[in-house]
Amino acid sequence: NAGVTQTPKFQVLKTGQSMTLQCAQDMNHEYMSWYRQDPGMGLRLIHYSVGAGITDQGEVPNGYNVSRSTTEDFPLRLLSAAPSQTSVYFCASSPTLTGNYGYTFGSGTRLTVV
Amino acid sequence: SQQGEEDPQALSIQEGENATMNCSYKTSINNLQWYRQNSGRGLVHLILIRSNEREKHSGRLRVTLDTSKKSSSLLITASRAADTASYFCAPSGYSTLTFGKGTMLLVSP
Repeated sequence: NAGVTQTPKFQVLKTGQSMTLQCAQDMNHEYMSWYRQDPGMGLRLIHYSVGAGITDQGEVPNGYNVSRSTTEDFPLRLLSAAPSQTSVYFCASSPTLTGNYGYTFGSGTRLTVV
Repeated sequence: SQQGEEDPQALSIQEGENATMNCSYKTSINNLQWYRQNSGRGLVHLILIRSNEREKHSGRLRVTLDTSKKSSSLLITASRAADTASYFCAPSGYSTLTFGKGTMLLVSP
């Protein structure tokens, strides 16, 4: 099925551990992004990419790292997990950055850091 | 990037009734999008209205845009229990989309 695939769906980490959240899309979209959603906070942009090899920071980038080696994949790395990173993470993609097209979202990764 | 503010924060109606949600924003936009999020799921794109459009329809959805007032509204007619979800507006210029806290709609049978 065409769309955005996120793995894993659920993850529990201990403080200080590192992990990578995977995001893949098969729609040949140039733009990909990561958001986190916390209760009462809406969605906040972490990092985004406008094409392979090009990434930029969003509103809340600290503690996260990204790279974009292919058009299809945009992994999000937590370098040293902290309880404040407990959240639901969503990956989204679109043909372009500009918002002239709707974003396609993945189903999310629910992360708990203990 | 712009961020919209949805109002009300929560809305509770009966099946068959209409639901209206509003969105306000602060800067000039290129277009405005509406999304739906069912509990625990990713956002789903509903409709996009361009800045030179005043009204757009899609099935039971009607979106209006008033750029002079920097506001938009989403009307869902003849609501169903399956419409229970959070709804977000995303005003867009030429940058990444940002999302507010949304309107939580509860449609009771």
